[in-house]
Formats: sequence, C-alpha cells, structure tokens
Amino acid sequence: SYELTQPPSVSVSPGQTARITCSADALPKQYAYWYQQKPGQAPVLVIYKDSERPSGIPERFSGSSSGTTVTLTISGVQAEDEADYYCQSADSSGTHVVFGGGTKLTVL
Amino acid sequence: QVQLQESGPGLVKPSQTLSLTCTVSGGSISSGSYYWSWIRQPAGKGLEWIGRIYTSGSTNYNPSLKSRVTISVDTSKNQFSLKLSSVTAADTAVYYCARDQASWGQGTLVTVSS
Repeated sequence: SYELTQPPSVSVSPGQTARITCSADALPKQYAYWYQQKPGQAPVLVIYKDSERPSGIPERFSGSSSGTTVTLTISGVQAEDEADYYCQSADSSGTHVVFGGGTKLTVL
Repeated sequence: QVQLQESGPGLVKPSQTLSLTCTVSGGSISSGSYYWSWIRQPAGKGLEWIGRIYTSGSTNYNPSLKSRVTISVDTSKNQFSLKLSSVTAADTAVYYCARDQASWGQGTLVTVSS
C-alpha cells in the first residue's frame, strides 16, 4: 500500500526554524497538504497544494516541494506551535488518499 | 462558511455495523465540486482516511477497508453518511467528516465493545 513517510518527532527552541519532511514516490505528481492537530482538537489545514497558505494561518508557516519530498517549515517557532503535524496526499492515480504517520513538534 | 457535525451511536457491539451521519450547514451538499470524506483516528494514533464521495456521487475507499465501507449522500437532508460493517475493537476511534481538506467536523468517538 502507498505510504507517506514523516519523522516521528522534531524538537526546536522558541524562535528557531522547524522543518518537517514528508516523502513518497507520487509526491511529484500529487499535491501535498499539511495539518496541525492539537490535543483533543480536529486537524487544521495549514498548507494546501504544497505551498499555499489558507487565510488565517500565520505567515511563519510555509511549504515547499522537491522531488519526492515535501517540507513544512515553521519559521520563528512559538510555544503555541507545539502540536502534531500530518501530511496528506494521494497515490499516483489520485484515487486513494493517504496520511503520513504524523510528526510531534516539541518546542523546548 | 460551511460547518460539519458528526452524529451517531457512541457505542457499537462487535460484528455489528457502525453508522454515522455528517450534517452540513452553511452550504448545499449538492452544489459545487467537493469531496466529502470520512477520516478516523484511534486514541494516541495517527489519522486514517476511510473514504470519500464526490459531488457527482462517485466514491473512493481505503483499500484496507473497502470491503466493509459504504459512503452515501442524502441531498434532501444535506447529509452524508458512513457505514462500516463487521466492526471489531480495532475500529474504535474518533471519526471525522470533512469537505475537501479545509473544513472538518469536531469528531465523534465511537467505541466498539460488548
């Protein structure tokens, strides 16, 4: 089955830059989406179509794509950014949606 | 702004069918071009896509669940539904409904237990 691979955890100090990667073979063909999820809450879309930011999402959140890897970058990390982050995309046919395993961002 | 709300039994017995409904407000489920999806999340684990139905009525399902899943739309009630048959304890999770990527319901916990 098709899988998206994320690191289980990333840790950064406040004010630093956090980068969370997501890798899979079909990412050059399919858009990636990023979600932030805090405990007890539904996921919130923070990046869509690889690098677009929804209205209301702080500018410190950005996305990029290179080959089979997409990256969520959070510049100037704040304590409130501590959460789980999930990437989402589709297989090469676009028929089946898949989520990455999630990355826990810890703000030290 | 569209809002989604999941509803259904919070407790389902093993081998029975889990049935959930997502009520859409703030927009018609039959207008536009959207995917209406179900996603679930077991406690302490990641998100799992269950399946989706397009505005046209076409469906796509997670291959690992396909034999047990049915997603349908009731345009008269502005709702879409999930049915998952032959449930086991492994189906215990918070179930979310969503429109495309941006709009999600708050989620509802379904426990499978006798």
